[in-house]
Amino acid sequence: DGGITQSPKYLFRKEGQNVTLSCEQNLNHDAMYWYRQDPGQGLRLIYYSQIVNDFQKGDIAEGYSVSREKKESFPLTVTSAQKNPTAFYLCASSIRRSFNGGGYTFGSGTRLTVV
Amino acid sequence: SQELEQSPQSLIVQEGKNLTINCTSSKTLYGLYWYKQKYGEGLIFLMMLQKGGEEKSHEKITAKLDEKKQQSSLHITASQPSHAGIYLCGAAFNAGGTSYGKLTFGQGTILTVHP
Repeated sequence: DGGITQSPKYLFRKEGQNVTLSCEQNLNHDAMYWYRQDPGQGLRLIYYSQIVNDFQKGDIAEGYSVSREKKESFPLTVTSAQKNPTAFYLCASSIRRSFNGGGYTFGSGTRLTVV
Repeated sequence: SQELEQSPQSLIVQEGKNLTINCTSSKTLYGLYWYKQKYGEGLIFLMMLQKGGEEKSHEKITAKLDEKKQQSSLHITASQPSHAGIYLCGAAFNAGGTSYGKLTFGQGTILTVHP
């Protein structure tokens, strides 16, 4: 079955450490997105990519980095510059003309906690 | 300020009761999506609305988009414990340019249904 796989489900980061969250999709979707979810704030866009080797900053990109070397993969690195990284991270994908279809397909999320 | 406001932020109802969740935009919407999320999991697509005055239903859930395309409502009839979760609206404000395919989300509404 097609879908999006995020790993790991839980991740613990020490102060000053970089960590990478994985997101893989086998839906043949062109576009992929990373959102951060905090209680009472809904989803905020970190980065998005519409095609391979290209990506754009979202609303809260500071302290994060991404790459899009393959269509199927869009990993997110949370760097030590991100001062408040504890949150639930969601990856999503869509066909480029998503407004005519079912919107995004979401992964099951990664909960990152700073220890 | 939020481009997309959801109300109420939380809702507690007795099983069998009807309820409505609202999503209001400060700008005209190009498209509006409704998603459901269980705590700690990804978002599940419910419905998409694009035309002013459009109404869609799936099982006991009905979503409407007003004629001006600035407000949407999600109505659940005869609620059940399985309806419990977080409901989020996601909006597309235009179809072209660098925001192509990008959704902005409301803060979410936490629904609790007591048996």
